[in-house]
Amino acid sequence: EAQVTQNPRYLITVTGKKLTVTCSQNMNHEYMSWYRQDPGLGLRQIYYSMNVEVTDKGDVPEGYKVSRKEKRNFPLILESPSPNQTSLYFCASSPLADTQYFGPGTRLTVL
Amino acid sequence: DQQVKQNSPSLSVQEGRISILNCDYTNSMFDYFLWYKKYPAEGPTFLISISSIKDKNEDGRFTVFLNKSAKHLSLHIVPSQPGDSAVYFCAARSEYGNKLVFGAGTILRVKS
Repeated sequence: EAQVTQNPRYLITVTGKKLTVTCSQNMNHEYMSWYRQDPGLGLRQIYYSMNVEVTDKGDVPEGYKVSRKEKRNFPLILESPSPNQTSLYFCASSPLADTQYFGPGTRLTVL
Repeated sequence: DQQVKQNSPSLSVQEGRISILNCDYTNSMFDYFLWYKKYPAEGPTFLISISSIKDKNEDGRFTVFLNKSAKHLSLHIVPSQPGDSAVYFCAARSEYGNKLVFGAGTILRVKS
């Protein structure tokens, strides 16, 4: 089954404790992206990757890091999480940056 | 500054009637527009799209209209069904082709 998977689905952590949210797709897509969803703001892009070893900032990259060492994986790293990073996070992939396929989401709470 | 705006946070419609969801954009260089649907506890799923060279695209009960001069697009759902109750996001592809820009979403409730 073609899908984008994210782990964990739910995470509660404390300020400053490094964490990684994994994302994996099995569709051999070139393009992958991370978004955060906040009430009244919709989906805002954090980082995206056009291909392996090619990443770029989206609209809200501060406080986040990503890597793309393999085509299928695109982890999101929060080196020192803060409460304003409490949000719902989505990973997405697509052949190009158009019809993107989204993962099920990761709800992160930073205390 | 939001380049894609969905000014109605919510919409309530009776089952069987038409639902019209609206979206406005500010960047005339956007060349491709999409609608996504999102149920609680799930990721957004692609619904329908339209290229900037067209003014209408239809897929079953769903039709998207694009008015480039007004920088406005709309999604029509006819007839509306209770299962259509979800959050609908409008999105536009940037002129550089490297990302989608999303609106804030509209919550649609279809009452039976």
